[in-house]
Amino acid sequence: AQRVTQPEKLLSVFKGAPVELKCNYSYSGSPELFWYVQYSRQRLQLLLRHISRESIKGFTADLNKGETSFHLKKPFAQEEDSAMYYCALSGAGSYQLTFGKGTKLSVIP
Amino acid sequence: KAGVTQTPRYLIKTRGQQVTLSCSPISGHRSVSWYQQTPGQGLQFLFEYFSETQRNKGNFPGRFSGRQFSNSRSEMNVSTLELGDSALYLCASSLSGDHNYGYTFGSGTRLTVV
Repeated sequence: AQRVTQPEKLLSVFKGAPVELKCNYSYSGSPELFWYVQYSRQRLQLLLRHISRESIKGFTADLNKGETSFHLKKPFAQEEDSAMYYCALSGAGSYQLTFGKGTKLSVIP
Repeated sequence: KAGVTQTPRYLIKTRGQQVTLSCSPISGHRSVSWYQQTPGQGLQFLFEYFSETQRNKGNFPGRFSGRQFSNSRSEMNVSTLELGDSALYLCASSLSGDHNYGYTFGSGTRLTVV
């Protein structure tokens, strides 16, 4: 069975402070990991995926297979980063995403 | 280009009734997935369709069903509604179903069962 755990329901940081949203997963094979974001009154959208090793809006995430983690990081938080963030996993050859329960990031001005 | 369109946006039904939700994917997208979102369980996968074939099904009772038409539009049906079916139902489309090419989500249909 596959599982995604986001231990923090709410994370509050001050503007300019570093941000780390935690994500741990459980999967027996080689997973594909993603971060999705939902800004207020907007649709759920893909932020980044581990396979592309990209940085989007200053966010990065590294897949650590040893620790089965895929934490999302940003060195300096901005007010516009306030949103709901979901970590998600897809198994090889699978067409479904397993989501974590989400972390609400609140950036305090 | 137009995004993923879900209709209706809001729906109120009575226990025991059935409901049909509709999803129109982005033009050219052939894969459509459905998710249920509730405060308690979060986002849970219902099923995925590609070229009118269901390729994946989540762990939901048989009351939940879906289909996809030749134009890639999809519908999901819930029969014998229960209070616990109250949720936001999200549809997402992609070119092929490969998550690495990105899924685009709709705004959802908010179903309330009373």
